[in-house]
Amino acid sequence: DADVTQTPRNRITKTGKRIMLECSQTKGHDRMYWYRQDPGLGLRLIYYSFDVKDINKGEISDGYSVSRQAQAKFSLSLESAIPNQTALYFCATSARGGGFNEQFFGPGTRLTVL
Amino acid sequence: RKEVEQDPGPFNVPEGATVAFNCTYSNSASQSFFWYRQDCRKEPKLLMSVYSSGNEDGRFTAQLNRASQYISLLIRDSKLSDSATYLCVVNGGFSGGYNKLIFGAGTRLAVHP
Repeated sequence: DADVTQTPRNRITKTGKRIMLECSQTKGHDRMYWYRQDPGLGLRLIYYSFDVKDINKGEISDGYSVSRQAQAKFSLSLESAIPNQTALYFCATSARGGGFNEQFFGPGTRLTVL
Repeated sequence: RKEVEQDPGPFNVPEGATVAFNCTYSNSASQSFFWYRQDCRKEPKLLMSVYSSGNEDGRFTAQLNRASQYISLLIRDSKLSDSATYLCVVNGGFSGGYNKLIFGAGTRLAVHP
């Protein structure tokens, strides 16, 4: 079984709809992240969380919100989806600790906003 | 200027070829450097870290040139299974307990028979 799972894997929605993307992990990691990937651009960080009570904005948080329901669960919401939020979304996790810790990515959610 | 820049490719090479990718970064204070591999429509996975002295893992060699602010990845004896996009990743600084990672857009490699 995958260590980091994301649901749904694909979603097509309309402008103005509320969408929630979910991420679960069984790696026991404290840190979780949400990124988006667009063609020709690198992954960009939306939000990150170091534990259940810790939520931090990344570089492109506008239009998004998150919830860390448990150590293993981190969800991303688009309150009112718009077409330029069409992208591939990845959840990632890493272990606690100073310096770099390898990030482990989920399989991604392909979101299309019409 | 992008913080991390890569040639998008694609690099089309025959099996057995040697291919090299370069990546430049803008933040001279960056301390950590990595190469991730991403297969088509899949998630990125860590390929290797890049150390100041350079490091090798089988057919893969990574090197860092701090003075010129670039990182390289050399793949020898290319295999069909090496076909993927290679992401250059640089530590963008330590802020609020988080070691921010900056991802390049990736270089696509296609190895053909």
